Amino acid sequence: RKEVEQDPGPFNVPEGATVAFNCTYSNSASQSFFWYRQDCRKEPKLLMSVYSSGNEDGRFTAQLNRASQYISLLIRDSKLSDSATYLCVVNPEAGANNLFFGTGTRLTVIP
Amino acid sequence: ETGVTQSPTHLIKTRGQQVTLRCSSQSGHNTVSWYQQALGQGPQFIFQYYREEENGRGNFPPRFSGLQFPNYSSELNVNALELDDSALYLCASSLPQFTNEQFFGPGTRLTVL
Repeated sequence: RKEVEQDPGPFNVPEGATVAFNCTYSNSASQSFFWYRQDCRKEPKLLMSVYSSGNEDGRFTAQLNRASQYISLLIRDSKLSDSATYLCVVNPEAGANNLFFGTGTRLTVIP
Repeated sequence: ETGVTQSPTHLIKTRGQQVTLRCSSQSGHNTVSWYQQALGQGPQFIFQYYREEENGRGNFPPRFSGLQFPNYSSELNVNALELDDSALYLCASSLPQFTNEQFFGPGTRLTVL
């Protein structure tokens, strides 16, 4: 079983739509959670951290459900510039120095 | 821009050859991690270097090795290249207390023929 599982998509949505991505992780001891964004043929960049209480950054909302080992990312009012691959990322345990990445979910926002 | 640089940007090698990839970390970052990203996959952790010592390793064979220099720059060496080694190799720098916040370089795209 993979450490982090994501629906690879692709998700094709019209501008202005709301879209949600989900991710599950296998290690219940995982400590930290993130969403990274990766544009085509570019490096991943941190989009936001995910906290147990949920957190919001503008049009982006991240949620964590530790009981279900489930992470989500909601994008409201999608823009063309949101087109990218969104990577769910987990730090597997306290003191760990590596990150586990999901395969990514590809989003295309259509005019 | 993260300030992390990698060289070369692209590289073509043949099976059995050896390759060295280079990374300069963001100013002030003394921890460097290397990842392999195959097409259509997420990055996979290879290893991390901190203060010139290997500080954790993923599920990669010994023919993947590395170095870190006193200026915190780093090298990834891969011996006896295999076709499956074709991938984007990403370097990420961070501070040890903020390992979760990793800043990635643009990557080196390696093709093994």
